[in-house]
Amino acid sequence: QQQVKQSPQSLIVQKGGISIINCAYENTAFDYFPWYQQFPGKGPALLIAIRPDVSEKKEGRFTISFNKSAKQFSLHIMDSQPGDSATYFCAASTPGGFKTIFGAGTRLFVKA
Amino acid sequence: DAGVTQSPTHLIKTRGQQVTLRCSPKSGHDTVSWYQQALGQGPQFIFQYYEEEERQRGNFPDRFSGHQYPNYSSELNVNALLLGDSALYLCASSVDNQETQYFGPGTRLLVL
Repeated sequence: QQQVKQSPQSLIVQKGGISIINCAYENTAFDYFPWYQQFPGKGPALLIAIRPDVSEKKEGRFTISFNKSAKQFSLHIMDSQPGDSATYFCAASTPGGFKTIFGAGTRLFVKA
Repeated sequence: DAGVTQSPTHLIKTRGQQVTLRCSPKSGHDTVSWYQQALGQGPQFIFQYYEEEERQRGNFPDRFSGHQYPNYSSELNVNALLLGDSALYLCASSVDNQETQYFGPGTRLLVL
């Protein structure tokens, strides 16, 4: 019940294309859903986050879509660039952020 | 404004030994969470410290313990090291009752 399932494991996208990563959760107690970007040898960096009372949130080229009834959420990266090549993690947090569960990650490669 | 810092950056230990990893939170943050990230996997929640107490714990054995000091810095201790403890150990800081976490660069532990 604490799992967050992420897909795909890896993704190759052409420069300028749209990258889409999907996640699903089970525990309805989660109320905060962040996405993190991680480059090799670095810690994860927060990209964008959403709460379940909002169906979509956009920040620059990054958009989260949230489907509360399906317990699914996704990250869309518009106009993908080679510099976006990294590993992306979805996560889900309990109220107050006491506990955060991460997905297994998606390795994105953007071809120039 | 310094972000989250961790020390050491790399560490090599032998099976059965004990290790202590250190974390200084971002300025203004009072809550510290620790994660274990195995190669190619997502971060796994170990525990969270607030007001010098362990507030929440993930599915890790008692060999993993921690401490938080009055200045909010924190330590992660691992006893009786196993080969499987080899991983990147991440520290994340936040403000109490807020879900947004900021990660440090991690400590890479190798157990031989």
